[in-house]
Amino acid sequence: KNQVEQSPQSLIILEGKNCTLQCNYTVSPFSNLRWYKQDTGRGPVSLTIMTFSENTKSNGRYTATLDADTKQSSLHITASQLSDSASYICVVSERDDKIIFGKGTRLHILP
Amino acid sequence: ETGVTQTPRHLVMGMTNKKSLKCEQHLGHNAMYWYKQSAKKPLELMFVYSLEERVENNSVPSRFSPECPNSSHLFLHLHTLQPEDSALYLCASSQAHFPGRGKNSPLHFGNGTRLTVT
Repeated sequence: KNQVEQSPQSLIILEGKNCTLQCNYTVSPFSNLRWYKQDTGRGPVSLTIMTFSENTKSNGRYTATLDADTKQSSLHITASQLSDSASYICVVSERDDKIIFGKGTRLHILP
Repeated sequence: ETGVTQTPRHLVMGMTNKKSLKCEQHLGHNAMYWYKQSAKKPLELMFVYSLEERVENNSVPSRFSPECPNSSHLFLHLHTLQPEDSALYLCASSQAHFPGRGKNSPLHFGNGTRLTVT
């Protein structure tokens, strides 16, 4: 069964610190992987997309990595800010176009 | 500012009520979606419309009835709901029907309707 597992379920860090969120998947055949950010009371917004041939991609202080061999992705946040408090959702697409959502990681940044 | 607008933002309804959720997209997209988001669960796809035709219906109970009068508007009609239907209902749109394809078809979500069934 195609699945997307995210860890940790929730995370609390101090403002200014770095953190890394994990996404493991069993989706096959693989097409691409997206990370979405969902602020409280808002809909998810796409942060990055990774295709099979891409290992790393940055979007400001967000850096996503992908290891297609081990079927793992990570989202690294550098120098966290209060506005980074949100849920981060990993979404993996099958080559037949189905998309599978993870449950998300809830990140809290403390001042 | 989101290009997908949902109303109302909050809705409280009894189990015997009939209500409708509305979604409008201003992005010129061809596909629109309804998702259900419950606490600690992945987003669940409910319905997909592509060019105003329903192309996916994921075994959703008949108490949820979608309507897509044109490519910019999507409704979700609700009747005789159950308390377990309380959730955040998200509308989304994408350029192509298949949001998994490539870099140019991410899902664009509205801010959702928080539904509480009492």
